[in-house]
Amino acid sequence: NAGVMQNPRHLVRRRGQEARLRCSPMKGHSHVYWYRQLPEEGLKFMVYLQKENIIDESGMPKERFSAEFPKEGPSILRIQQVVRGDSAAYFCASSPNRGVDQPQHFGDGTRLSIL
Amino acid sequence: GQQLNQSPQSMFIQEGEDVSMNCTSSSIFNTWLWYKQDPGEGPVLLIALYKAGELTSNGRLTAQFGITRKDSFLNISASIPSDVGIYFCAGPSSYSGAGSYQLTFGKGTKLSVIP
Repeated sequence: NAGVMQNPRHLVRRRGQEARLRCSPMKGHSHVYWYRQLPEEGLKFMVYLQKENIIDESGMPKERFSAEFPKEGPSILRIQQVVRGDSAAYFCASSPNRGVDQPQHFGDGTRLSIL
Repeated sequence: GQQLNQSPQSMFIQEGEDVSMNCTSSSIFNTWLWYKQDPGEGPVLLIALYKAGELTSNGRLTAQFGITRKDSFLNISASIPSDVGIYFCAGPSSYSGAGSYQLTFGKGTKLSVIP
């Protein structure tokens, strides 16, 4: 999974706190995708961003969750007022362009645990 | 929404044996992707299939895009211990719009190899 960098790898938060997850895409990739994975499940799409734009956030909860991909710096997935149900692995993927012939490459994820 | 059903859910095989797993959907997919996930890591793309009937190999791995566009198969020949992991099929969700790349994942097939 070299290339897509996510940090932190593990994050522990208490209920009500905020969680910030960072993703730096592969060099040359300007399209970023966030997915959530619960134990024993496949990945579920959350949001798709290009630089400075949210393209598709249909998989992201309307409340408490937000994402950004600024002109400079990594993409950020932000979860406010975390609850126990937010515990999951969050993966970021990137691709050079948008299209079915542009496979997504994934980072190693951030494992979020809510106490 | 679209769903991908993978079978078997898990399998235990002896080192050196061949492995076969499949993925089915009630709706048509125009691209099939196979990923492998090792514990604590993100999914790694193994094979991408873009045409119905396509048969593609990657070393000891072979995958096929079903003629009906509703299924795909992954075969691993002469398994070795490092093949252990979870294998996911995935494809772009058709409802997410032209050019979009929102992936739908199956729940995975967990492979264990007995030395």
